[in-house]
Amino acid sequence: DAGVIQSPRHEVTEMGQEVTLRCKPISGHNSLFWYRQTMMRGLELLIYFNNNVPIDDSGMPEDRFSAKMPNASFSTLKIQPSEPRDSAVYFCASSRRRDRGINGYTFGSGTRLTVV
Amino acid sequence: GESVGLHLPTLSVQEGDNSIINCAYSNSASDYFIWYKQESGKGPQFIIDIRSNMDKRQGQRVTVLLNKTVKHLSLQIAATQPGDSAVYFCAEILSWGGGADGLTFGKGTHLIIQP
Repeated sequence: DAGVIQSPRHEVTEMGQEVTLRCKPISGHNSLFWYRQTMMRGLELLIYFNNNVPIDDSGMPEDRFSAKMPNASFSTLKIQPSEPRDSAVYFCASSRRRDRGINGYTFGSGTRLTVV
Repeated sequence: GESVGLHLPTLSVQEGDNSIINCAYSNSASDYFIWYKQESGKGPQFIIDIRSNMDKRQGQRVTVLLNKTVKHLSLQIAATQPGDSAVYFCAEILSWGGGADGLTFGKGTHLIIQP
């Protein structure tokens, strides 16, 4: 099991540029979550999908942020235009919904985004 | 201006001692709780979970206790090892499988194991 795979691991971009973060969930998991971690705010849920359908995007900070899940094995989080305050570590996690006794969610290794 | 980051509580214990990490959760209706361990540069890693219909669950070297009356969770780690040094987060879910599946994380506790 390769786990949740995120790319890139590190991204440095200039303010105003578009940034796309990618995530491949664990095969068989039908829920996918995007989180952001900063020193100021800790771990925050941005958006999550069940069966590729966005369920709750109330955590998405602004319209500059968007997320898609075109199929069960791939999701993207896009920031356009990026700003320095978007600098953070972005985590993707997946789980099997309605599965009792599973070991919670599985997180990827994260993408460290720096906007200069 | 100068940014102020989260001031994480720190727990320092001697190698081989037991440690207890505490967490106060926010929603009395939360149904499912998870403890995560996060090492520097890595994503949160599952340790142990517990449903709201239980008050204790044991794993390998770890025990989670749930007190719903005071909305309190604790993680006990027995015979701590250097590899236990990390930040530990508790997380809650309002209703597992019921539609509100997003985890709400606590602020975290930094556990330091002294040799």
